[in-house]
Amino acid sequence: QVQLRESGPGLVKPSATLSLSCSVSYGSFNTYYWTWIRQSPGKGLEWIGYVSDTGKTDYNPSFKSRVTVSIDTSKKQFSLRLRYLTAADTAVYYCARERREGLWSGDFFTYYYYALDVWGQGTTVIVSS
Amino acid sequence: DIVMTQSPDSLAVSLGERATINCKSSQSVLYDSIGKNSLSWYQQKPGQPPNLLIYWASTRETGVPERFSGSGSGTDFTLTISGVQAEDVAVYYCQQSYDIPYTFGRGTNLEIK
Repeated sequence: QVQLRESGPGLVKPSATLSLSCSVSYGSFNTYYWTWIRQSPGKGLEWIGYVSDTGKTDYNPSFKSRVTVSIDTSKKQFSLRLRYLTAADTAVYYCARERREGLWSGDFFTYYYYALDVWGQGTTVIVSS
Repeated sequence: DIVMTQSPDSLAVSLGERATINCKSSQSVLYDSIGKNSLSWYQQKPGQPPNLLIYWASTRETGVPERFSGSGSGTDFTLTISGVQAEDVAVYYCQQSYDIPYTFGRGTNLEIK
């Protein structure tokens, strides 16, 4: 059964860069989107962005200028880098897997990504001096 | 961004009774080409990550009890728990995967009366 585990610092200083990793165990790394989400009391659940097994990325425009999500398929890990941190970035950060389904629409076959089916336990990040 | 609005914020139900949670999206999340709504429901218990219950608006995830069901299309969706059990105490979230950025509702807190 697939398991995800986040790792990284629990305390980061303002204006610094946060680096988190997510290790993927016991499952295929291919054909999914690998995703970062965070949760804070003020903003609830926020989708940050994803990376595919081929390195394709997409990000929430709210973070776009300061976020990078990358993947290392040889290590079965994917990572989040979030720059220029402020107290507003204090949150629980989750990594998750997004499932896809290939469907025909007329003559076209398209993959639809549609549900976050496996989540890590989350890691708390506090931004404070 | 697509705004997901859940109601109510909090819900107290007696054991064995029905719980109904609503979710409204600010624009349609229906893929007309395939007839599917890109809307999922999650359950989150204290200290745990969200857990997928329902996807494509009405398809129950493997292992999820049959008392959980989803319905709706376009912009209006409902999660129904038929016969609430004590272990169902949690916060429930809807989420759309139709458009970037994916967005979540603010959550509905389910308690036992």
